[in-house]
Amino acid sequence: SQQGEEDPQALSIQEGENATMNCSYKTSINNLQWYRQNSGRGLVHLILIRSNEREKHSGRLRVTLDTSKKSSSLLITASRAADTASYFCATGVKETSGSRLTFGEGTQLTVNP
Amino acid sequence: NAGVTQTPKFRVLKTGQSMTLLCAQDMNHEYMYWYRQDPGMGLRLIHYSVGEGTTAKGEVPDGYNVSRLKKQNFLLGLESAAPSQTSVYFCASSRYIHTGELFFGEGSRLTVL
Repeated sequence: SQQGEEDPQALSIQEGENATMNCSYKTSINNLQWYRQNSGRGLVHLILIRSNEREKHSGRLRVTLDTSKKSSSLLITASRAADTASYFCATGVKETSGSRLTFGEGTQLTVNP
Repeated sequence: NAGVTQTPKFRVLKTGQSMTLLCAQDMNHEYMYWYRQDPGMGLRLIHYSVGEGTTAKGEVPDGYNVSRLKKQNFLLGLESAAPSQTSVYFCASSRYIHTGELFFGEGSRLTVL
């Protein structure tokens, strides 16, 4: 099963509204990353939050991390039609055998003009 | 800078045919990865490389081979294509192994008939 699971699978909002996507994971992590993927394109890194951080901002993006609940959320404020994309969380784990990055299945965000 | 470039972008194969996907990066990154993306499955790691001349298996390596003869290039080969290998393939590179920010190519869509 996936380490990171996004919720909801799909989200449709109006331009100007805020969009919140959640990611839950199962094992302890080193960091958690969020990526965006526009239709037919590659993934683009948005933000990385380390396990000892609780909140991080980048422009209209706000990411929180709650390691006690093993969950993270991505908030996009004042959404725009150009924010329409799939959003993926990826959990970074360091193990004795090496380290790995595991992607969730993504949230499809549609922002209606 | 072009970043990560994948060729070809589209390819249709018949079952049993072979092909090679080429990935090139111009960021002088040590680490390179091949992922496949399937609906409902997120991104799954096929193979990765921690430097020139080295390769390692990821989560779903069967049916694929890779080579990293030059630092900037990472090749993914299918020796005998199967319909189950129909997917979108993404190459990525990073400065730090696995848990750092990944830079993705635009993807190669492969259909095996």
